[in-house]
Amino acid sequence: GIQVEQSPPDLILQEGANSTLRCNFSDSVNNLQWFHQNPWGQLINLFYIPSGTKQNGRLSATTVATERYSLLYISSSQTTDSGVYFCAAHTGTASKLTFGTGTRLQVTL
Amino acid sequence: NAGVMQNPRHLVRRRGQEARLRCSPMKGHSHVYWYRQLPEEGLKFMVYLQKENIIDESGMPKERFSAEFPKEGPSILRIQQVVRGDSAAYFCASSPTGRDSPLHFGNGTRLTVT
Repeated sequence: GIQVEQSPPDLILQEGANSTLRCNFSDSVNNLQWFHQNPWGQLINLFYIPSGTKQNGRLSATTVATERYSLLYISSSQTTDSGVYFCAAHTGTASKLTFGTGTRLQVTL
Repeated sequence: NAGVMQNPRHLVRRRGQEARLRCSPMKGHSHVYWYRQLPEEGLKFMVYLQKENIIDESGMPKERFSAEFPKEGPSILRIQQVVRGDSAAYFCASSPTGRDSPLHFGNGTRLTVT
């Protein structure tokens, strides 16, 4: 099955800093999604982005399907951005979304 | 529009008991996925269902675990004769059209086996 790898595994930022999270996948994908799991365990869908670029407030994402990676940009980070960021992908005829191992982000004052 | 509803939020079972986890998808969503998350780990796929059908159960252990999504009512993940290794957070997600649409998660059920 598809392999989904994320980097970095851990990231500590000061409030106001910008960051880029990376997601590499081993096969061509039909569907790529980014999620944020907050410190209380809730999973929020940030982006559905099989290709191209999308923006939502301080967050934006870009997927380059032909090169098998996706990037999540966080600008002007806030403490509420802390948590774990997961990317997940569907490939081929697979019905399941395969998750990466996540990037754990801590934003400090 | 209510989100994905899971209950209970927390469930404690003794070894050998049965655990039943419930998931009501978002209104208009007929595709349901179950994932398991161990502490400090990512999400592992268990099973994908549409109304009355199991589409993919490749991630579900062959024994003790079963899932259903009846025509009426919530999706149920059932774990029989629980063991301590079953302790985890179980998340349900739904989508309107399966893999070509965003997945929305419930808040999870945290199962503790004592």
